[in-house]
Amino acid sequence: AQSVTQLDSHVSVSEGTPVLLRCNYSSSYSPSLFWYVQHPNKGLQLLLKYTSAATLVKGINGFEAEFKKSETSFHLTKPSAHMSDAAEYFCVVSSRGGGNKLTFGTGTQLKVEL
Amino acid sequence: EAGVAQSPRYKIIEKRQSVAFWCNPISGHATLYWYQQILGQGPKLLIQFQNNGVVDDSQLPKDRFSAERLKGVDSTLKIQPAKLEDSAVYLCATSGAPDQPQHFGDGTRLSIL
Repeated sequence: AQSVTQLDSHVSVSEGTPVLLRCNYSSSYSPSLFWYVQHPNKGLQLLLKYTSAATLVKGINGFEAEFKKSETSFHLTKPSAHMSDAAEYFCVVSSRGGGNKLTFGTGTQLKVEL
Repeated sequence: EAGVAQSPRYKIIEKRQSVAFWCNPISGHATLYWYQQILGQGPKLLIQFQNNGVVDDSQLPKDRFSAERLKGVDSTLKIQPAKLEDSAVYLCATSGAPDQPQHFGDGTRLSIL
């Protein structure tokens, strides 16, 4: 079985300040982990993925995430938020034991204020 | 590279009517998925195809939902008859193989009156 918990349903930051979106996962097998972003009325876009290589993963648009097995966490960060980062972010887990099926978290809505 | 194409973008129907959604995958992508995303939730897998065969349809409400991918390229998802709780965004995603990242279309937003 696999699951994902996104700890915050809404996060609000000021433009230019750091972003932290928290995610904890559960998986019976070695997981692959992803972060997807969804802008209003759009499909999901892959930000980054972890597949058992380097634990610090760099993605697009300045985002990165660190896989911490001891904490079962995969938090998403960005040093400086931009207005265009306002969107919904989904943490996703997949594992071979789960047939490579994606299990999505419930999402975190990121608001960026001037 | 053209992305995953879905149509229509929006659909409004009354309950008990039928509706169909269409998905055209990225060229060469053998694996195709349909997801249901209810407002405020993450997407939930409905069905997965590998070429024209069904890999996983365990979460598909088969009494009212059906999907096909006859030639292993385009796919259609149908709901008949629709219920109020089917109001959601229906997302199509494709990948080159099951273990590769999925690419999503913009979805079809379905409203049931």
